[in-house]
Amino acid sequence: QQQVKQSPQSLIVQKGGISIINCAYENTAFDYFPWYQQFPGKGPALLIAIRPDVSEKKEGRFTISFNKSAKQFSLHIMDSQPGDSATYFCAATHAGNMLTFGGGTRLMVKP
Amino acid sequence: KAGVTQTPRYLIKTRGQQVTLSCSPISGHRSVSWYQQTPGQGLQFLFEYFSETQRNKGNFPGRFSGRQFSNSRSEMNVSTLELGDSALYLCASSLMTSGGYNEQFFGPGTRLTVL
Repeated sequence: QQQVKQSPQSLIVQKGGISIINCAYENTAFDYFPWYQQFPGKGPALLIAIRPDVSEKKEGRFTISFNKSAKQFSLHIMDSQPGDSATYFCAATHAGNMLTFGGGTRLMVKP
Repeated sequence: KAGVTQTPRYLIKTRGQQVTLSCSPISGHRSVSWYQQTPGQGLQFLFEYFSETQRNKGNFPGRFSGRQFSNSRSEMNVSTLELGDSALYLCASSLMTSGGYNEQFFGPGTRLTVL
């Protein structure tokens, strides 16, 4: 059972544009929602994370928007750069280290 | 501070064999989790060890097992390998096992190919 659904599977954005990736979850017990960035040949690296008592969190060009009632959260990458080209994963967990990941979004930022 | 290290980085095995993968967490981290990454199933949680005890286990068959040593280093073992076990196996370490923002740091993974 896929508990975290991520869309789109792939995304092409022009340099300077906004990249938006969406995730939806089913388990209302989830209480920590991180986003990971993965480059080819590397392990995932934590980008930004949010807890459900906050509706938005911003770190530099990266923003998470969280809608608890809709059980959805999204990642916005402002002023997207070619160096942002990577695969992005949303994830969720409940009081522990057992992360449930979305299916991933392959982002390509065209110069 | 050194990151999470995994050995070996690449491994080729044949069906029916067994394999052992190793993970050294960041110094001071006591929790080690293992994940399997495949194109079809994505990233899936295998198990987590904290202070040498298995804390959580994902939905994988008993052929997948692991352990953690007193220095927090961890190994995972897959017995009777199947073609479908071909994957990138990722290890992640963190300070604690629960509570608060508990950032997990991932290693580069071990690429296992089963022929």
